Amino acid sequence: KAGVTQTPRYLIKTRGQQVTLSCSPISGHRSVSWYQQTPGQGLQFLFEYFSETQRNKGNFPGRFSGRQFSNSRSEMNVSTLELGDSALYLCASSLRRPGTGGDETQYFGPGTRLLVL
Amino acid sequence: QKEVEQDPGPLSVPEGAIVSLNCTYSNSAFQYFMWYRQYSRKGPELLMYTYSSGNKEDGRFTAQVDKSSKYISLFIRDSQPSDSATYLCAIRNAGKSTFGDGTTLTVKP
Repeated sequence: KAGVTQTPRYLIKTRGQQVTLSCSPISGHRSVSWYQQTPGQGLQFLFEYFSETQRNKGNFPGRFSGRQFSNSRSEMNVSTLELGDSALYLCASSLRRPGTGGDETQYFGPGTRLLVL
Repeated sequence: QKEVEQDPGPLSVPEGAIVSLNCTYSNSAFQYFMWYRQYSRKGPELLMYTYSSGNKEDGRFTAQVDKSSKYISLFIRDSQPSDSATYLCAIRNAGKSTFGDGTTLTVKP
């Protein structure tokens, strides 16, 4: 079974631009979460999507948004990029079904490394 | 205070040593406990997953959870150079995972 895939793997943007990152979960996984990883802050939760609805949200500004499609693929968008947004953005999928349980085990993709200049 | 505190390291051990990696957490509502391994420039890879106090063994890896002390550990027996990576503990509840900052382990041949 194919793992979580993320595109693109590397991205360079300049301040003020916006960026869209894509994630395809493991087949059968409908829960997709996004995380930001930086050397200073570690791995931080951005948001979780299930059935095209955002179910959980971390403490990030509104410039960070996401969506999920009917095939469970997900995108996250960052608008008005700042230098501090340079990070590894990780997507993880699971069999979790919010409100009814399901396996909470998360599997991560390789990440998209974003550099903001 | 962070919700999850992880022994920072870095840790350097000789091949064959037993490695102990540790985290503490503050929120007793946390239900699921995980350990991930992350190689440089890669995504985290799930190593161990448990939701109860006690020990869980998988090959050379043993995860230990003590809910009364809010303490979790990962033990690696017979450590190998290929175990050199950053190890992250993660505590999960209601769809949100909170990670420790990671411990970088180097196993020297």
